[in-house]
Amino acid sequence: NAGVTQTPKFQVLKTGQSMTLQCAQDMNHEYMSWYRQDPGMGLRLIHYSVGAGITDQGEVPNGYNVSRSTTEDFPLRLLSAAPSQTSVYFCASTSWDSGNTIYFGEGSWLTVV
Amino acid sequence: AQSVSQHNHHVILSEAASLELGCNYSYGGTVNLFWYVQYPGQHLQLLLKYFSGDPLVKGIKGFEAEFIKSKFSFNLRKPSVQWSDTAEYFCAVQNTGFQKLVFGTGTRLLVSP
Repeated sequence: NAGVTQTPKFQVLKTGQSMTLQCAQDMNHEYMSWYRQDPGMGLRLIHYSVGAGITDQGEVPNGYNVSRSTTEDFPLRLLSAAPSQTSVYFCASTSWDSGNTIYFGEGSWLTVV
Repeated sequence: AQSVSQHNHHVILSEAASLELGCNYSYGGTVNLFWYVQYPGQHLQLLLKYFSGDPLVKGIKGFEAEFIKSKFSFNLRKPSVQWSDTAEYFCAVQNTGFQKLVFGTGTRLLVSP
């Protein structure tokens, strides 16, 4: 049981490049989400999904796309990276069956130059 | 929409001092409440959570929190802090109906030996 797995752990991008942050969970959780963490701003919700095929926007969705084709995977796409997207990204999952306990991935450090 | 306020952005204490970190939330419905800790360079770890029942909840490492419904508060306490408690602490509120988790901006605790 690996929990929530995020890749890559570290990434440097040039402005305008695209990339995908991968997130996978093996706990059969229906709810998955992406957060970004910035100094002094805590964690802000980017996008979330309540099940396969269903996604919705969080607090700061602009510049990011998500999809949820399977229960296990919830990738986060940056279509055209900007320096303002330099941040630490956390994926999380939870389930009603798990007592609403949220499980976090270990984070992805992204720098856009 | 739910929101979370953490009033103290930085707290500096000496070892053995008592700790109380404030957390207030705004949401009219039923909520689950969490405190997470993030040690330097690490991902989030759950300290404790409140879903229902006894409003005084005990977590790991000697932490506890009290849910006061009338004040919309969920303050974190520890009677005697240690140097190893140096970390950033996040309060979070989850709407029980929709699973979405909203974080406060965090409190950085520095414990001097």
